[in-house]
Amino acid sequence: GAVVSQHPSWVICKSGTSVKIECRSLDFQATTMFWYRQFPKQSLMLMATSNEGSKATYEQGVEKDKFLINHASLTLSTLTVTSAHPEDSSFYICSARDITGAPDTQYFGPGTRLTVL
Amino acid sequence: DAKTTQPNSMESNEEEPVHLPCNHSTISGTDYIHWYRQLPSQGPEYVIHGLTSNVNNRMASLAIAEDRKSSTLILHRATLRDAAVYYCILRDHAGNMLTFGGGTRLMVKP
Repeated sequence: GAVVSQHPSWVICKSGTSVKIECRSLDFQATTMFWYRQFPKQSLMLMATSNEGSKATYEQGVEKDKFLINHASLTLSTLTVTSAHPEDSSFYICSARDITGAPDTQYFGPGTRLTVL
Repeated sequence: DAKTTQPNSMESNEEEPVHLPCNHSTISGTDYIHWYRQLPSQGPEYVIHGLTSNVNNRMASLAIAEDRKSSTLILHRATLRDAAVYYCILRDHAGNMLTFGGGTRLMVKP
């Protein structure tokens, strides 16, 4: 299957700092990427849908000014957690939509574990 | 997207087949059945998908009931590396996002 990478795989930061997470589709172009968040022992929750060249669509309850998403190319989307606080500590996972098949399939990155002290 | 129901957990012995059930009684005619699995501390991994006919690939088989109100993911010989949470997700052919339910936590005993 197609490969999606994330960087970094883990990050520890101080409260109040900003953290950027990158998501790349390595062997296909993705006009749409998705960002999920997963707390311990819970399922994945969709945060936002990122479309190349346009603004992201955020799910209800997700602050767009806190979680900045940029999808500047067909292979790269970034999520910036601004002014991070301990409650933002979570496992952040991106996925990329491969439209070459029918139906299209989403492939997921390995995740980024964010710990805010 | 329509809702799916899966058992919270299942156990299997290594080298034995595993049948993971999923109920989706409100499935619509255009919904595809997707299965993903998530190993500990990793992102979900695509396993298989189908619409009406049974499907096979190198990872698993998907058996879909004739009325499409349920399906079963079949791992033919479970290994310790198959221990994961398995998610059954319905998605319209024009659908965009995936909505994850609770999934089934599969434990494989040596």
